[in-house]
Amino acid sequence: GEDVEQSLFLSVREGDSSVINCTYTDSSSTYLYWYKQEPGAGLQLLTYIFSNMDMKQDQRLTVLLNKKDKHLSLRIADTQTGDSAIYFCAEGTSPKAGTALIFGKGTTLSVSS
Amino acid sequence: DTGVSQDPRHKITKRGQNVTFRCDPISEHNRLYWYRQTLGQGPEFLTYFQNEAQLEKSRLLSDRFSAERPKGSFSTLEIQRTEQGDSAMYLCASSLLTEGYTFGSGTRLTVV
Repeated sequence: GEDVEQSLFLSVREGDSSVINCTYTDSSSTYLYWYKQEPGAGLQLLTYIFSNMDMKQDQRLTVLLNKKDKHLSLRIADTQTGDSAIYFCAEGTSPKAGTALIFGKGTTLSVSS
Repeated sequence: DTGVSQDPRHKITKRGQNVTFRCDPISEHNRLYWYRQTLGQGPEFLTYFQNEAQLEKSRLLSDRFSAERPKGSFSTLEIQRTEQGDSAMYLCASSLLTEGYTFGSGTRLTVV
């Protein structure tokens, strides 16, 4: 079945780069998403990438997609303490189809000063 | 409009009681989704509406769960005869046709 896997924890120092990795199984996924969840809050959409793209950059965020290996990564440059949160990778078909997203279990990013 | 609003933020109920949650999506969003998130897990899809039509339901949505969106605006999720296993964060999200979701802050349900 469909599955999304992420490492559970990542710890970095303030100012370093963070790289959060994700693998997925559904080859029909056309959209891959990164969400951020702070304690007690809902999920905030950070960025998403179409499956026909290899890379997308948005300010401090860089998403890399390797379709062959079904591997997605999120790089956060110059990581700040405010970036400490849980980061979820999710896969889905086109938003036009309105179908469900499949989420990973989340990676807890801890940023120390 | 400041985003997706969910009410209540927290609900504690006794096992066997019924509970109802409300979600107010972003006003121009025609799609509305319900997800459930348990501790240490990612959100799991429950159901989704396009306007007032419920178009998809997960097998997680047992017959004790019912969701409605009567006028294509706000939605309610009711859980009847709650069980301890229903304890979770219930997240609502809304979207336009071609964009990613916007999630609300969720309703945390604790069944004692």
